[in-house]
Amino acid sequence: DTAVSQTPKYLVTQMGNDKSIKCEQNLGHDTMYWYKQDSKKFLKIMFSYNNKELIINETVPNRFSPKSPDKAHLNLHINSLELGDSAVYFCASSPRDRAFTFGSGTRLTVV
Amino acid sequence: QQPVQSPQAVILREGEDAVINCSSSKALYSVHWYRQKHGEAPVFLMILLKGGEQKGHDKISASFNEKKQQSSLYLTASQLSYSGTYFCGTEYSNDMRFGAGTRLTVKP
Repeated sequence: DTAVSQTPKYLVTQMGNDKSIKCEQNLGHDTMYWYKQDSKKFLKIMFSYNNKELIINETVPNRFSPKSPDKAHLNLHINSLELGDSAVYFCASSPRDRAFTFGSGTRLTVV
Repeated sequence: QQPVQSPQAVILREGEDAVINCSSSKALYSVHWYRQKHGEAPVFLMILLKGGEQKGHDKISASFNEKKQQSSLYLTASQLSYSGTYFCGTEYSNDMRFGAGTRLTVKP
């Protein structure tokens, strides 16, 4: 039973396209996150949601739009993809003040 | 603001010890430690919730000095399986920031 599952695992797409990444957790956690990890391994927070409510929106371009239909799901839609969007995107969830559980990541390559 | 980790990289021989430091310019309420192996997701190691707290499992332990706004991760008698990138994270109100990571390589 996967705790935090992300799909797809790999995504190769052309510049200008729109794509979505899905994330689901079955841990009953209240908070979910999106992180971007660049080629230098830096984990940068993008968004956090608590019980479907947006908490953190960290100076991310408007082309990125998160959607949380319920507290078990946090999807990420990206419009007009650019070369600089290439990275690994991790979804994570946690209860308050407790360990984060990460999804396996989505490697996005924009060509 | 994300915490600052040091060193950026460490190379060890099996059986040697290492210390990874994490400091913040802001007050720390909790410190998390994670390890990420190449091509995988970060995996939780431990969390320290209050100043003075120390934790450990196996030969990996950590301390949290709230006054100095820093935490340290101690790896003793390192094993090949310890290789990876270690991240500290500081969390406040659903906002978790990670340090830039410390790449640890353990050689036979």
